[in-house]
Amino acid sequence: QSALTQPPSASGSPGQSVTISCTGTSSDVGAYNYVSWYQQHPGKAPKLMISEVSKRPSGVPDRFSASKSGNTASLTVSGLQAEDEADYYCSSYAGNNIMIFGGGTKLTVL
Amino acid sequence: EVQVVESGGGLVQPGGSLRLSCAASGFTFSSHWMRWVRQAPGKGLVWVSRINPDGSATGYADAVKGRFTISRDNAKNMVYLQMNSLRVEDTAVYYCTRTVAGGGDYWGQGTLVTVSS
Repeated sequence: QSALTQPPSASGSPGQSVTISCTGTSSDVGAYNYVSWYQQHPGKAPKLMISEVSKRPSGVPDRFSASKSGNTASLTVSGLQAEDEADYYCSSYAGNNIMIFGGGTKLTVL
Repeated sequence: EVQVVESGGGLVQPGGSLRLSCAASGFTFSSHWMRWVRQAPGKGLVWVSRINPDGSATGYADAVKGRFTISRDNAKNMVYLQMNSLRVEDTAVYYCTRTVAGGGDYWGQGTLVTVSS
């Protein structure tokens, strides 16, 4: 059960786009379409932003999009806004009733 | 309104036990997987355990397997996490979440577990 690999940090200026990667293996990200992305502001509970690789729950702005290629999933935030500054985590099903998270990426809006 | 509310956290000595509870409301509880996720102070999210709708299937992270037990009572809309043989490294905020399509869509505010002598 190794954690998925995310870059520790990412940044962009308001209005720009930024992409955060999430690398797993052929046993988790590459095997299942159950990749989720979460946003967490300091002191708050995480918020689901993306489920099933690319599906946005109701209420999540369409500035947030996601995809998967092989063992790597990606979250793209377009038109960066100040409120997008937060920690972002990916998660994947890994078979045998096991889930795993990435280590998290701190997104800074410059 | 969908709500999940955790309780039962606190200070416990290494080797001790604690039972966390999660009260769910606002949805058909018996139709949903539920999970526990924890976050150590200043650290990232870590999946702990999950349970299927009727309680017949469970999964655990390697770090807690054999020490933690997840269960549910669908008549009471409750999920539990029995934590035994607690270690200092189990110190974290524990979140209960409803699971839909592999994603945790509703999270509680978390309950803090501190393992310290």
